[in-house]
Parts: sequence; structure tokens; C-alpha cells
Amino acid sequence: NSKVIQTPRYLVKGQGQKAKMRCIPEKGHPVVFWYQQNKNNEFKFLINFQNQEVLQQIDMTEKRFSAECPSNSPCSLEIQSSEAGDSALYLCASSLSRGQGYAEQFFGPGTRLTVL
Amino acid sequence: QQNVQQSPESLIVPEGARTSLNCTFSDSASQYFWWYRQHSGKAPKALMSIFSNGEKEEGRFTIHLNKASLHFSLHIRDSQPSDSALYLCAVSGDSGTYQRFGTGTKLQVVP
Repeated sequence: NSKVIQTPRYLVKGQGQKAKMRCIPEKGHPVVFWYQQNKNNEFKFLINFQNQEVLQQIDMTEKRFSAECPSNSPCSLEIQSSEAGDSALYLCASSLSRGQGYAEQFFGPGTRLTVL
Repeated sequence: QQNVQQSPESLIVPEGARTSLNCTFSDSASQYFWWYRQHSGKAPKALMSIFSNGEKEEGRFTIHLNKASLHFSLHIRDSQPSDSALYLCAVSGDSGTYQRFGTGTKLQVVP
């Protein structure tokens, strides 16, 4: 069983509010990914880190999201000003290697965000 | 930009049946191909992966890849009710470290 821990499991925010979620990757996994899974099961990659460094992120993440993976603290993803379209399941995954997609990703159970 | 499509969207099969799930991708440079399973309310979990053309079998599950056809598939032999879940395919290549996912096939195995 995956040992990626995500908190909180459920988050309800009003439009314009900040929404923050956290992830503790599997022990020893240096690479962390954040994905957004919407109600149609579409997965959208948001950002990934290796240790504390950002590897890749999409435009949306740059503009309205902030994320970090500080040393010895949980990783976090924060939406600065929530919009209705942000309602989704936010999944965190960790991996042993950043290497070219061949490394298995281990997912947490997700944080389900509802923006009213 | 990679486009990953899955078919069918949903499937209901009787217990004991053989089930086939399909995934097509658009980037011929793709190199790594995965199937994940996500039970309702649970985390997606990797089932199988394949990195070269051909077939790979693990227990009741077989993955088949045909890069020339931009297609790979998952076959489940002797489907069980516990196999009922959302099945997601994912593809990645040298150009990025993250996997691009399809929108899933919802499988229901009925006793």
C-alpha cells in the first residue's frame, strides 16, 4: 500500500479564498508530483519537484498556484484565489526517480477541493 | 502535445469474463506505458508497465504494446468483482518526466 499521506482529505472554500493542501511523500522518494483530477476523470499535471527544486510546472500553476517542498516538512500546494473550476481531486504522487517516466509513481488518496 | 485516449469509457462484464481495455496516444516518441487502477475513493495504483513492443503477462493481467499503431491495451483474464474500478492508462517519453493520463475506463464486474 502506498504511504503517501495527503491532508486534508476534504476542503471546502468560497470563491476567492486560499486553499492549501499538504503531502508527505513516501520515505526516500525525492520526486513529488501534483495532479488535478476533475469530475470527468481528466488528469492534469500541475507541478513536480525533485527534493526542493521545481522540475516542471504548467502555466496555470505559475499564475494562481504556489507549491513548495521544503526540507523536512510536508510538500504543499496552495491556490491563491480559488475559482469554481478548481473544484477537483488533487493527487500527490512520489517517485524514486525523475528518470524519463519509467519510474513508478505512488499516489496518495487525494484532497477533494470544493469551491462554492 | 501528447493526446491520450481510452476506450471504452465504461464497461460491464460478468464475473469470469476476459476484459480488454484500450489506450491510444499521439506522440510516436513515447517510450513508457503504464496502466493504473483506481478503486472508488482510493489512490490510483500502478498495475503494470511496458517499455518495448510486445506483450507482458503478470498473473491475470496482460499488457500489449504496438508502438507503430500508437496503441496499447490491458487484458484481464477471469475478471473478478474486485477488479471493478477506474482504469487509467498513462504515457511518457524523453521530453518530460511526468506521465500523461487518459480519462479512464470504468469497469464493473458483476457476479
